[in-house]
Amino acid sequence: AQSVAQPEDQVNVAEGNPLTVKCTYSVSGNPYLFWYVQYPNRGLQFLLKYITGDNLVKGSYGFEAEFNKSQTSFHLKKPSALVSDSALYFCAVRSGGGADGLTFGKGTHLIIQP
Amino acid sequence: DTGVSQDPRHKITKRGQNVTFRCDPISEHNRLYWYRQTLGQGPEFLTYFQNEAQLEKSRLLSDRFSAERPKGSFSTLEIQRTEQGDSAMYLCASSLNTGDGYTFGSGTRLTVV
Repeated sequence: AQSVAQPEDQVNVAEGNPLTVKCTYSVSGNPYLFWYVQYPNRGLQFLLKYITGDNLVKGSYGFEAEFNKSQTSFHLKKPSALVSDSALYFCAVRSGGGADGLTFGKGTHLIIQP
Repeated sequence: DTGVSQDPRHKITKRGQNVTFRCDPISEHNRLYWYRQTLGQGPEFLTYFQNEAQLEKSRLLSDRFSAERPKGSFSTLEIQRTEQGDSAMYLCASSLNTGDGYTFGSGTRLTVV
């Protein structure tokens, strides 16, 4: 069975500082990894994905994520946080050779303080 | 194309009643997914269609749940004999290719009283 852990329910960062939202996963075979963001009263939006290739992937709104196979992690990062980045972030995984359905983590609330 | 549309946005029903939700995916997307999200949790996979074929069903999808995508376009999710535990946000998403990021709809919030 595949699983995702987001160890922090909430992350607080001052505006302008770098941010990291952590994600670790468990899956058989090669992982397909995703980050989604959910703003208040809005639907989930796709941010970025890792399928294969460069371990550092870039996505929307200046976010990036680093795939680390040995640590089975896929942490979300941004060099300089904006207040508008405040939202709920979800990490998700599926097996590359397996079924299409994603397994999501519980989510991490990111709060950027002015 | 205005994205993935779900109808209704909200549904309140009495326990034991049947409910049906509709999802209209992005027109060129042949993959369609249903998820369920409860407060404080991430979305949980329910089922997946490629065109009109239902290719995956989660163990979460009890016999009371049924989904269809008759012409490979819109999809419906029906819950029969609703229970209070069915109260959740039901999310639909679509994608073009395997491995693509999904486009999610805004969801249908179901409240069973």
